[in-house]
Amino acid sequence: KAGVTQTPRYLIKTRGQQVTLSCSPISGHRSVSWYQQTPGQGLQFLFEYFSETQRNKGNFPGRFSGRQFSNSRSEMNVSTLELGDSALYLCASSLTSGAIDTQYFGPGTRLTVL
Amino acid sequence: AQKITQTQPGMFVQEKEAVTLDCTYDTSDPSYGLFWYKQPSSGEMIFLIYQGSYDQQNATEGRYSLNFQKARKSANLVISASQLGDSAMYFCAMREWSTGNQFYFGTGTSLTVIP
Repeated sequence: KAGVTQTPRYLIKTRGQQVTLSCSPISGHRSVSWYQQTPGQGLQFLFEYFSETQRNKGNFPGRFSGRQFSNSRSEMNVSTLELGDSALYLCASSLTSGAIDTQYFGPGTRLTVL
Repeated sequence: AQKITQTQPGMFVQEKEAVTLDCTYDTSDPSYGLFWYKQPSSGEMIFLIYQGSYDQQNATEGRYSLNFQKARKSANLVISASQLGDSAMYFCAMREWSTGNQFYFGTGTSLTVIP
């Protein structure tokens, strides 16, 4: 079974631009979560989608948004990029959204904002 | 309060020795799951082992075992017979029912295996 895939793997953008990251979950998984990882803040939860509905949202500004499609694929959008948005963005999928469900991570998208 | 605490920023272990990575958690929810992930320098988070709050026995997966002490709210990862490829960051995480099953991660422990 194929794992979680994320595209693109690397991105370089300039301040003020917007970016869209894509995540394809493991086949059959309906929950997709997004995380931001930086050396200073560690792993921070962005949001989780389950069956096209946002179930949880972390403490990030409205510039960060996401959506999930009927095939469970998810996209994350960041508008008006700031230097501090430079990070590794990780997507994770799980079968459902239950407490016992393991999340499996993709390889991440490394975003650099200049 | 932090949901997950990992107090060891860095650890060293001799190849073929065992090592314990500490993790304590904070929850009042009776239903939760505890997870350990490995993150090599490549960046991908690799799932290692899972322990449910209602599980009576400690979880084991190959060379990985989880020392689950529920009363102490501790979920330490034990890696036996360390290998050079075990050098990586290790993250402890929790998912609890009461917060909509959101994942909480610790700050991680950097493990270096010395030949």
